[in-house]
Amino acid sequence: GENVEQHPSTLSVQEGDSAVIKCTYSDSASNYFPWYKQELGKRPQLIIDIRSNVGEKKDQRIAVTLNKTAKHFSLHITETQPEDSAVYFCAANQAGTALIFGKGTTLSVSS
Amino acid sequence: DGGITQSPKYLFRKEGQNVTLSCEQNLNHDAMYWYRQDPGQGLRLIYYSQIVNDFQKGDIAEGYSVSREKKESFPLTVTSAQKNPTAFYLCASSQTGGIGNQPQHFGDGTRLSIL
Repeated sequence: GENVEQHPSTLSVQEGDSAVIKCTYSDSASNYFPWYKQELGKRPQLIIDIRSNVGEKKDQRIAVTLNKTAKHFSLHITETQPEDSAVYFCAANQAGTALIFGKGTTLSVSS
Repeated sequence: DGGITQSPKYLFRKEGQNVTLSCEQNLNHDAMYWYRQDPGQGLRLIYYSQIVNDFQKGDIAEGYSVSREKKESFPLTVTSAQKNPTAFYLCASSQTGGIGNQPQHFGDGTRLSIL
């Protein structure tokens, strides 16, 4: 089955810096890769997703890149702000089942 | 998302007791999911359902049971066989179009603890 590895587990940056979180997946049949943000005690919320027919997708300060050959995808947050502080999860779909999530990255943005 | 309602928000289980977590959605989604969240473990899939009267085990189904009698509802029962039930439980739903390749929308979760 699908296995999703996420790194780093914690990330601390200064306000205004960029943050990058990386994930690798094992199932070459996976074709959908969402990223979720979860604030403390709240539900995960989708922030961006990418499908396997696209190499990059951007939404304001957030971008995701996908390398199908290497089976890895990354989340890039530019000009970080304190409100970006949260836990971020990557996921990949396992064919015929559901999303498999990484273990999460706790991002702390200090001002 | 206001379209997925989980209840109760907090739940306590006594030794040997079965408890049921409720999940209701009004998004007209066909697929529904249950995840368990433990600190540092991410979200682990317990059960999922693509259509009414059908559901499949996820990675950690032991000690749990579900039913899907209505499209809107996907309750999860934590049985006494689940020896370590303390966790945050999240329900999600998604549109059809292939299980797992559509955005999932989550409820606010239920936090279960042992008395």
